[in-house]
Amino acid sequence: QVQLVQSGAEVKKPGASVKVSCKASGYSFTSYDINWVRQATGQGLEWMGWMNPNSGNTGYAQKFQGRVTMTRNTSITTAYMELSGLGSEDTAVYYCARGEWRGRLNWFDPWGQGTLVTVSS
Amino acid sequence: DIQMTQSPSSLSASVGGRVTITCRASQSISSHLNWYQQKAGRAPKLLIYAASSLQSGVPSRFSGSGSGTDFTLTISSLQPEDLATYYCQQSHSTPWTFGQGTKVEIK
Repeated sequence: QVQLVQSGAEVKKPGASVKVSCKASGYSFTSYDINWVRQATGQGLEWMGWMNPNSGNTGYAQKFQGRVTMTRNTSITTAYMELSGLGSEDTAVYYCARGEWRGRLNWFDPWGQGTLVTVSS
Repeated sequence: DIQMTQSPSSLSASVGGRVTITCRASQSISSHLNWYQQKAGRAPKLLIYAASSLQSGVPSRFSGSGSGTDFTLTISSLQPEDLATYYCQQSHSTPWTFGQGTKVEIK
């Protein structure tokens, strides 16, 4: 079945960077975008950006421009999201989600299980 | 950026009851609207895409409608397993944005 499995929880100090992985299986990895969405505790969903695993092209939300980098390793069907300059406000669960397109319509399905990133001194 | 506003922010309904959640976009998004269900401690799950298309495997008691700026998610007969927070999301233009969520509780 189509599945995204993310790396485990991380604890980082302020100013550090974190790199979260998202292992895809059950479908052609290079045929679908990977999106990253985060959710602070008790809060809503915030889209961070997308990556095309075939071309490596990316698009980031302006809020994260200059701090986020999305990459992939096609040989192991894994996508990565690296966020630098961490602050306490970056404490959140980070999700990867496959982006499906049909014409100009698109949606996220499925989602990874989430990775908790805690930023604390 | 397109702002998505959901109402209500929370609701309580009886098992078997009808639940309606609305989502309004700050500008027209045609039918570029998706609905997700998120249960406590779990990842979001796609329910409805393109405003009214039911995702495979989702019970038929869930339905979506609307176009332009106003959209609705309806649960025709609420079940105990529908306890969750529901989010709308626009896919008209980046940055993709979500509503703030509607928490559904069982009375």
